[in-house]
This record gives sequence, C-alpha cells and structure tokens, in this order.
Amino acid sequence: QKEVEQNSGPLSVPEGAIASLNCTYSDRGSQSFFWYRQYSGKSPELIMFIYSNGDKEDGRFTAQLNKASQYVSLLIRDSQPSDSATYLCAVSNDYKLSFGAGTTVTVRA
Amino acid sequence: GAGVSQSPSNKVTEKGKDVELRCDPISGHTALYWYRQSLGQGLEFLIYFQGNSAPDKSGLPSDRFSAERTGGSVSTLTIQRTQQEDSAVYLCASSLSRGTDTQYFGPGTRLTVL
Repeated sequence: QKEVEQNSGPLSVPEGAIASLNCTYSDRGSQSFFWYRQYSGKSPELIMFIYSNGDKEDGRFTAQLNKASQYVSLLIRDSQPSDSATYLCAVSNDYKLSFGAGTTVTVRA
Repeated sequence: GAGVSQSPSNKVTEKGKDVELRCDPISGHTALYWYRQSLGQGLEFLIYFQGNSAPDKSGLPSDRFSAERTGGSVSTLTIQRTQQEDSAVYLCASSLSRGTDTQYFGPGTRLTVL
C-alpha cells in the first residue's frame, strides 16, 4: 500500500465548475497536510496546508481534513483554465513529505 | 524576496560521469531538502538538513549519491558514476525550520544521463 494515494486522473471539468480532488494516507501519525500545484515542466507550488480536522478555505480553494478516515481533499470552485495542472497531495508527520502521484486536472473552456 | 534557486537548470551527462547539483535556499531558512521526481512518478524524498544536525540520508537510493551543506546555507548534491536510471528532475526545497513548516521548492535541475 502506498503511503499517499490520490484519485486517478485525469480529471476534466468545464470552466466555472467545481473540481474535487481526493487523497488518502496510511500513516495515522501524520500531522501536516499540503496541496501543491505543479504546472507541466515547473516545480511544485504550495496552494494550501491544513493541520486540523475540518475545512479550511482560501479564495476559490477549500481543503478538508478527516484524520479519523485518513482522508484529505481539495475543492476548486469556479474552475478556471489557469487551474489546469497536476495537483499533488503531500503528508508529513515531522519533516519528511510523502507525496501522492498527483491528479491532473484539465479545465475546458 | 528571492526564492529557492538551483543550478544548473539542465544537465546532460554521459553514463559513468559524476555530476554536482547546487541549491541555494531561501535566506533565513534553516531546513533544506532534496527530492527527486522521475518521469511518471511522484516526488521521492532523498535527504534532509536541519541546522548543524546530522542530515537524514534515509532516502538516498545508493552510495553513489551524497550531499553536503556548507555554512548552513548552500547545498550540493553529488551523483557519482551516473546511471541512466538517475535521469530525473532533482528538486530542492527549504523551510523556515523543521517540523510542520511549509516547504518551498526551487525550479529544479533536469538531469539526463545518456
């Protein structure tokens, strides 16, 4: 079992719709959870981090964490073509980040 | 302010040669990390430096890989006797300190071993 698993893509959504990305992790001791966005040929860029159970909103992005279910998600509201990228879920229980394989999102105009 | 910088941005080498990759972290960040991203695979942790503590080398794939960090700032990742399977993007990240602090990534070095 991989440490961090993400829903397989690619995910195609129409402009203005909600994109929903899911991530599960195996280490119950995990404390920090991150979503990175990676454009093709570029390095990962932090979008959101979340430490506590519940929702955290930042602009069009909402991260949701459920430690009991070992589940973290990212919602992108009002999706824009510029949101087309690969989204990486990362989990850590100290300093070492474990990454999922990523979900590629395409927002079609 | 300036982000994490890495050099070179691209490196093409022949199998068996040694290569050095450089990372300059964000000023004031005490923690530095190296990751590798191979084609079609996720990011793989390689090594972690925190201040003057002994580095966590648990992610280095073989003894051909080594890294050092001089003066608590710049880091160099060295790959000796490169193999074709070493071809990947090598990413450096830094964070303010250890623990749950956010890691910020540099642009990466794309290594191609012919």
